Amino acid sequence: DAGVIQSPRHEVTEMGQEVTLRCKPISGHDYLFWYRQTMMRGLELLIYFNNNVPIDDSGMPEDRFSAKMPNASFSTLKIQPSEPRDSAVYFCASSPTATNEKLFFGSGTQLSVL
Amino acid sequence: GNSVTQMEGPVTLSEEAFLTINCTYTATGYPSLFWYVQYPGEGLQLLLKATKADDKGSNKGFEATYRKETTSFHLEKGSVQVSDSAVYFCALTLTDSWGKLQFGAGTQVVVTP
Repeated sequence: DAGVIQSPRHEVTEMGQEVTLRCKPISGHDYLFWYRQTMMRGLELLIYFNNNVPIDDSGMPEDRFSAKMPNASFSTLKIQPSEPRDSAVYFCASSPTATNEKLFFGSGTQLSVL
Repeated sequence: GNSVTQMEGPVTLSEEAFLTINCTYTATGYPSLFWYVQYPGEGLQLLLKATKADDKGSNKGFEATYRKETTSFHLEKGSVQVSDSAVYFCALTLTDSWGKLQFGAGTQVVVTP
């Protein structure tokens, strides 16, 4: 299996623009997570899905952020409009079960908002 | 609330040296504890875990023991290699909120030949 695939690897955009980050989980994994990593706040869970349904989005910072999972093999995290403080590495992770020892992370998307 | 505190990095050491990364936690319940490793340019990987007091997690020569009395989960390796250079994250989760891994800030380890 190719693992969790995220795209793009790097994204540079200007403040106010819409940004869409993409994730393909490992096939057969029913759980998908979006994390954000910054120097100031470390790793934060933004939202997670189970069987394509959002279960907990309490970590989503504000209404500018939205996440969808239209099917079992694809998820997006959208920021509209983007702001410089959104600059971070965004990780997607997936898991086949409701335990953390089988949590697999993608390589992340480095987002820079100028 | 729940939190994880790790020693600040970077930690720089020579190959074959002994490595210790301190991790302490606070939790309202009875957490499971984890160490994740992030190699340059990659996502996090689970290194080891422990789910109850006195459990010892081990993998790739790394060990950590769940110490409830000191609320600690220190990571150790007896002889590091250059390939161990990475960022190490201590994390916890509570059984009723397993998806919410609470991570420490991470400790960068640099091993020189």
